[in-house]
Amino acid sequence: QKEVEQDPGPLSVPEGAIVSLNCTYSNSAFQYFMWYRQYSRKGPELLMYTYSSGNKEDGRFTAQVDKSSKYISLFIRDSQPSDSATYLCAMSSNAGNMLTFGGGTRLMVKP
Amino acid sequence: ETGVTQTPRHLVMGMTNKKSLKCEQHLGHNAMYWYKQSAKKPLELMFVYSLEERVENNSVPSRFSPECPNSSHLFLHLHTLQPEDSALYLCASSQEQQGGTPLHFGNGTRLTVT
Repeated sequence: QKEVEQDPGPLSVPEGAIVSLNCTYSNSAFQYFMWYRQYSRKGPELLMYTYSSGNKEDGRFTAQVDKSSKYISLFIRDSQPSDSATYLCAMSSNAGNMLTFGGGTRLMVKP
Repeated sequence: ETGVTQTPRHLVMGMTNKKSLKCEQHLGHNAMYWYKQSAKKPLELMFVYSLEERVENNSVPSRFSPECPNSSHLFLHLHTLQPEDSALYLCASSQEQQGGTPLHFGNGTRLTVT
């Protein structure tokens, strides 16, 4: 079993749809949870950052962490074609900064 | 200047060649990383440097040799690579090498080994 599981997609949605991206994990020591967005031929860029359980909202993006279920989500409201990218979840414990990444979900938002 | 700059953007090399990848960060960070990104696989951590000292070598073959001359520069020296080493090599930096510190990535070097 992989330490972090993420559906690779691709996920294709129409413009304006609400998008839900998810990751599950097995290591209960993970405390820090991040979402990175990676456009084609670019490096990943940090999109959302949360510590422990709870929700965090930033504009059209909401990150949720449910540590009891070992499940994290990223919601994108009013999705735009410019949101088309690969979304990577990443997480780490307090020990060092060895982020463990999911394999990424490719999202396509069609106009 | 972007925060983390990698050169070259693309590299094609034969299995007997020696080449180097370069990374420079302009963020004043103390930790730098090399990651390998292959198709349909999660990012694989290769090396971590904190304050110019190597703190992680994630079972990487010796044909990959990192060098960190100062906190702003990181190199990955390559020799006698295999075709399966073809991938996107990403450099990243972070303020500290501590749990939860976000990484800032460069745009990578696309390496093709022929």
